[in-house]
Amino acid sequence: DQQVKQNSPSLSVQEGRISILNCDYTNSMFDYFLWYKKYPAEGPTFLISISSIKDKNEDGRFTVFLNKSAKHLSLHIVPSQPGDSAVYFCAARELGAQKLVFGQGTRLTINP
Amino acid sequence: EADIYQTPRYLVIGTGKKITLECSQTMGHDKMYWYQQDPGMELHLIHYSYGVNSTEKGDLSSESTVSRIRTEHFPLTLESARPSHTSQYLCASSDWTESYGYTFGSGTRLTVV
Repeated sequence: DQQVKQNSPSLSVQEGRISILNCDYTNSMFDYFLWYKKYPAEGPTFLISISSIKDKNEDGRFTVFLNKSAKHLSLHIVPSQPGDSAVYFCAARELGAQKLVFGQGTRLTINP
Repeated sequence: EADIYQTPRYLVIGTGKKITLECSQTMGHDKMYWYQQDPGMELHLIHYSYGVNSTEKGDLSSESTVSRIRTEHFPLTLESARPSHTSQYLCASSDWTESYGYTFGSGTRLTVV
């Protein structure tokens, strides 16, 4: 049973506009959430994270929002740039655990 | 520079061969992980280790085995490769003191023919 779900396999956004990537989870014991970015033939790299005690975390062009009641988080990228084209993975860690559960990823394409 | 290294990056091998995928990190992290990922799918945890001489199977059943004799080294072995083992294998490490969770290697793309 998949505990972290990214229901949009792909997303296409025009350069300069906002990209919104969504992630849903089912495990209420998750206390820490992360977003990773992955280019082809490379390993994922960390983008931004958020603790379950917060509802928003911002780092430059990237903002993550957490809605615990809906078990939903989203990643906003604004403005979107061509270099943002990649696969984005949502990940979550259960309280007390030291390993991550990943979603299936969303392929973001930024069009010039 | 502290980092995590995986070799080889790409491997094409015949059915029945024994292979070892190498993973080494220079960050002194206690925790190391192997994930398997197919295109369009989530990363599945297949093995993890919380320290030397400690290894556990992950959530996804795998025919591979791992060892952790040294802190920095966490190799993955397939005794007899099959086409169903074709996938990308990602190694990661962490000490969970930083906000970024894992540091990943570049991955090994394995093709079994």
